[in-house]
Amino acid sequence: AQSVAQPEDQVNVAEGNPLTVKCTYSVSGNPYLFWYVQYPNRGLQFLLKYITGDNLVKGSYGFEAEFNKSQTSFHLKKPSALVSDSALYFCAVRGPLTGNTPLVFGKGTRLSVIA
Amino acid sequence: NAGVTQTPKFRVLKTGQSMTLLCAQDMNHEYMYWYRQDPGMGLRLIHYSVGEGTTAKGEVPDGYNVSRLKKQNFLLGLESAAPSQTSVYFCASSYRLAGVLMTDTQYFGPGTRLTVL
Repeated sequence: AQSVAQPEDQVNVAEGNPLTVKCTYSVSGNPYLFWYVQYPNRGLQFLLKYITGDNLVKGSYGFEAEFNKSQTSFHLKKPSALVSDSALYFCAVRGPLTGNTPLVFGKGTRLSVIA
Repeated sequence: NAGVTQTPKFRVLKTGQSMTLLCAQDMNHEYMYWYRQDPGMGLRLIHYSVGEGTTAKGEVPDGYNVSRLKKQNFLLGLESAAPSQTSVYFCASSYRLAGVLMTDTQYFGPGTRLTVL
C-alpha cells in the first residue's frame, strides 16, 4: 500500500527566509510524487510533480522540490518566502503504473509566512 | 474554459435527508474523483471514475453513491445524510497520457461545504 506523511502540521517562517515543507512517502517501486497548494476557501492547485528524471523539480510560484530516493522524501522548498505563500500544502504519491490506483494525499502542512 | 465546477457551493441538510452534488468539467478528462476534506484528516478519496459509465470505491465510500453517465459529469449522492458527513467536498479531474494511467495533474473544483444537522 502507498502512503505519504507530512510530519509538520504547521510551519512558520519569516518573509524573505527560505522555507521547507517536509514530505516522506512509502510505495512499492518507483513513486510518482506531487505537491498541491490550497489557499483559503479554494480548491487545491497543482504546484509541481516528479515522475522521472532530474531529482530537483521546479514548479509554479518559485517553488521546487527535491526527490531523495534513499530517504524516501520529497521536500518542498523555496529560497525566499513571501507572505502570499501562506497556505495549506499537500504532498501526494502514487505507485508505479499498475492498475488505476489513485493518488494518496498527506494530511497537509499549514505554512504561515510572517512579515 | 471553466475547468472544474461544483454545484452547490454550500448546503445545510437535516439528518436523514438526501442530496446530490454535481461536478462538471469541460477539459475532456477521462478521470474524475470525489474527495472530502476534514480538519486534521487531509484529503480522503470517496469514489472515483476512470471513464464514462465506470466508478470505483476510494478510501471512505460508505454512505455515498456516485454516477458517471456522461464523461463531463460526476455526481455524488448522499441517500441518508448523517452528521459525520459534515465536510468540504472536492471534485477533481485528470487526463490520461497516451499509454500511461493516472500519473498526471489533477484539477480541482472550488468545493462544496456541506453541513448536516
